[in-house]
Amino acid sequence: DIRMTQSPASLSASLGETVNIECLASEDIYSDLAWYQQKPGKSPQLLIYNANSLQNGVPSRFSGSGSGTQYSLKINSLQSEDVATYFCQQYNNYPYTFGAGTKLELK
Amino acid sequence: EIQLQESGPGLVKPSQSLSLTCSVTGYTITSGYDWSWIRKFPGNKMEWMGYISYSGSTNYNPSLKSRISITRDTSKNQFFLQLNSVTTEDTATYYCARDGGRFDYWGQGVMVTVSS
Repeated sequence: DIRMTQSPASLSASLGETVNIECLASEDIYSDLAWYQQKPGKSPQLLIYNANSLQNGVPSRFSGSGSGTQYSLKINSLQSEDVATYFCQQYNNYPYTFGAGTKLELK
Repeated sequence: EIQLQESGPGLVKPSQSLSLTCSVTGYTITSGYDWSWIRKFPGNKMEWMGYISYSGSTNYNPSLKSRISITRDTSKNQFFLQLNSVTTEDTATYYCARDGGRFDYWGQGVMVTVSS
């Protein structure tokens, strides 16, 4: 199985700040990577797919980058509604696997 | 609008089978895509369990292969999860999702507790 190492596990940031979350795959996943946002009591919402494509309806302050084994999610100008847990997921190989999640809180 | 909704018992006894239904509206499950089950354990770990494709083929996570079955009823636009011989380690929130590699539509999730 491809192991997805996500960091940091938790993050505290201020409104308006820029936040970066990283995901490291145990092997090349050829940009077959998605990012999700999950708020408490809600189902995950797809933010980014193919490493850098913004899902329809997702604010443009979210962006993704990376290639090979290293990927990142960037949130510009942090808003209060961005408080959530973020997950990465690879879909290059079965079984699909997820990162452990990053819990984002406001400072 | 595409919507998915899970249903099923919230409490299952150890050694019994867990059975869940995912009802899909707004898209016909035979039109395309794979249709997956995913679960989230207490503590946040997420696990893809398996899918049934639009054509009816299945693919399961090897970690579950001997215990899992995903089937469908195309007349009702539903697909199903059966997980046999459950233990307390199967306690989780179970989601169904539309699977194009990435999961773009999810159900609201159903929390299942395995306990005697």
